[in-house]
Amino acid sequence: AQKVTQAQTEISVVEKEDVTLDCVYETRDTTYYLFWYKQPPSGELVFLIRRNSFDEQNEISGRYSWNFQKSTISFNFTITASQVVDSAVYFCALSGSGAGSYQLTFGKGTKLSVIP
Amino acid sequence: EPEVTQTPSHQVTQMGQEVILRCVPISNHLYFYWYRQILGQKVEFLVSFYNNEISEKSEIFDDQFSVERPDGSNFTLKIRSTKLEDSAMYFCASSEGTTLGGEQYFGPGTRLTVT
Repeated sequence: AQKVTQAQTEISVVEKEDVTLDCVYETRDTTYYLFWYKQPPSGELVFLIRRNSFDEQNEISGRYSWNFQKSTISFNFTITASQVVDSAVYFCALSGSGAGSYQLTFGKGTKLSVIP
Repeated sequence: EPEVTQTPSHQVTQMGQEVILRCVPISNHLYFYWYRQILGQKVEFLVSFYNNEISEKSEIFDDQFSVERPDGSNFTLKIRSTKLEDSAMYFCASSEGTTLGGEQYFGPGTRLTVT
C-alpha cells in the first residue's frame, strides 16, 4: 500500500522568509513517481513538479526547490523568499508502477499562510 | 494552453437524487480520472478510465458511482442516489498516459452539496 505523510498541517511565515514543506512517503514499488500540487484558495489543483524514483537530483525552479532523498524516503519542497501569493494548501502525492499505478495517493496537505 | 474543464462549478441536490458531473479532458490525453476532496481533507482517488473502460477504482467507488465517456470529448461521473456524505469537491483529471507516472492535469472541480 502507498502512503504519503505531510506532518505539518499548517505553517505561517512572514513574507520573504524561506519555508520548507515536508513530505515522507511509503511504497513497495521500486519505480515510483512523486508530485507536488498547489491548491490556492480558489480551489483548483495546480501541478508543480514530478520526480522519478531513479532521479535523485534536486530541482530548482525560480523560488521553488525540491529535495528528493530515497535514503530518508522524503521529497521536501522549499519556497525561498516567500510571497503572499504562495499562500495555499500544498499537497505531496505518489504514484507507483504496480497495481494502482496510475492513481495518485495524496498526503493530507500543508496549509501555508504567508503574512505580509 | 489546453486545460481540463468541468461543469457545473457548483451543484446542489437533495439526498437520494441522481447527479451527473461533467468533464472535458485535454483532447490528446488517453487516461481520465475522478478524485474527490471532502472539505478540509485530502484528495482521494475514485476511478481511472482508459480505452473506454475502468482501469482502476478505489473502495469509495461503489455501485452508486459510474463513469462514462458518451462521446469523443466528455467524461462523466454519475452518482445514482446521493447521500449527505457525498458532499465534496469532485475533480476530474487527465493524463497523456504514454508514460507511467505522467502528470495528471486537474480541472477546476465541481462542488457537490447534498442536502
